[in-house]
Amino acid sequence: GESVGLHLPTLSVQEGDNSIINCAYSNSASDYFIWYKQESGKGPQFIIDIRSNMDKRQGQRVTVLLNKTVKHLSLQIAATQPGDSAVYFCAENPSASKIIFGSGTRLSIRP
Amino acid sequence: SQTIHQWPATLVQPVGSPLSLECTVEGTSNPNLYWYRQAAGRGLQLLFYSVGIGQISSEVPQNLSASRPQDRQFILSSKKLLLSDSGFYLCAWKTDRREKLFFGSGTQLSVL
Repeated sequence: GESVGLHLPTLSVQEGDNSIINCAYSNSASDYFIWYKQESGKGPQFIIDIRSNMDKRQGQRVTVLLNKTVKHLSLQIAATQPGDSAVYFCAENPSASKIIFGSGTRLSIRP
Repeated sequence: SQTIHQWPATLVQPVGSPLSLECTVEGTSNPNLYWYRQAAGRGLQLLFYSVGIGQISSEVPQNLSASRPQDRQFILSSKKLLLSDSGFYLCAWKTDRREKLFFGSGTQLSVL
């Protein structure tokens, strides 16, 4: 669910390593999930999505995993690059009109 | 293709002054429209959403209001701003299906 009042947790990753960002969602009615990337001062940008009839979906350098049993979503970024530094949000769609965002994770890349 | 416009990009307003932020979408009809607010270093808080002209759903009771006078226009307003209204305001749209949101570039509001 929404945790908009919390400071963002930070994940620090060595450049070239894989990053795994986790997210717990709250609503059992959600059947569509989205990952967004937000750079400083900009609006969130779509990365990848997944529907509840799937447990894995791959894009270019990114993979989303969905575990409906424990209401858990993860985003894996392969061979992390400096340009991947950003805040990453998961979002769930409990109804056709409503989209709720998770608390977000700040990804920082060590050279 | 669809585009979303949001303005202004930055705004500095005194406490107690009114607010009007505007968002328009091009290239689509009957979009669902959304206003989110983001405090510095925080997550995205859904403020209002609209599934049609004149239809507004409020998620967080506060001194803000939203209106949708036209199909592709969404306005966020306040009669008297509070210090706590400072933040990054994002407009977004999507279809009426379970699909992804598309965000505008945001308005950084500072209430002093």
